[in-house]
Amino acid sequence: AQSVTQLDSQVPVFEEAPVELRCNYSSSVSVYLFWYVQYPNQGLQLLLKYLSGSTLVKGINGFEAEFNKSQTSFHLRKPSVHISDTAEYFCAVSDYRDSSYKLIFGSGTRLLVRP
Amino acid sequence: DAGVTQSPTHLIKTRGQQVTLRCSPKSGHDTVSWYQQALGQGPQFIFQYYEEEERQRGNFPDRFSGHQFPNYSSELNVNALLLGDSALYLCASSLVGAGNSPLHFGNGTRLTVT
Repeated sequence: AQSVTQLDSQVPVFEEAPVELRCNYSSSVSVYLFWYVQYPNQGLQLLLKYLSGSTLVKGINGFEAEFNKSQTSFHLRKPSVHISDTAEYFCAVSDYRDSSYKLIFGSGTRLLVRP
Repeated sequence: DAGVTQSPTHLIKTRGQQVTLRCSPKSGHDTVSWYQQALGQGPQFIFQYYEEEERQRGNFPDRFSGHQFPNYSSELNVNALLLGDSALYLCASSLVGAGNSPLHFGNGTRLTVT
């Protein structure tokens, strides 16, 4: 079965500094990867997705992620963060079973942006 | 275009009781998935419904059951509630067979079991 590991439970960073949130997944023949963001008391919002093609994926709010097959990683980056980026970030992999797909999520990384 | 809507937003129940949560998918979507998100954890897959049938199920006991209606809306039922069932329950909709189609999530129902 697929699995996702987010090694950092919390990442503190100062405003306007760059940030990287790490994500590793278990290997598979083909894989779809996603990053979601969750603001307090809300559901999950899609930031970006990797399906195929270019390994550098750009998403909303200035975020991007790089798919690295050899390292089975899909790290999320932003060159300059804002206070409003403070939220929980989840990496997820699409798992195919019983003729249907489901998402398997990591445990999340809390991004804390300080002024 | 209405997104995924869930009701109620908050719910408090006592151990042993039963609860029903409701979800309306995003317009145009035909598949509904339910996830449980315990405090400080990532969402865990409960099950998925398509064409009014359960297509896939995660590692949850039979106390968790669901239903999908002809209009694609769905319900999640939990019987014999335990304290450990306290969590945010998220509903997500998508198109069947589209593994590359991202899930659209509702804002969830916060269930507290006392």
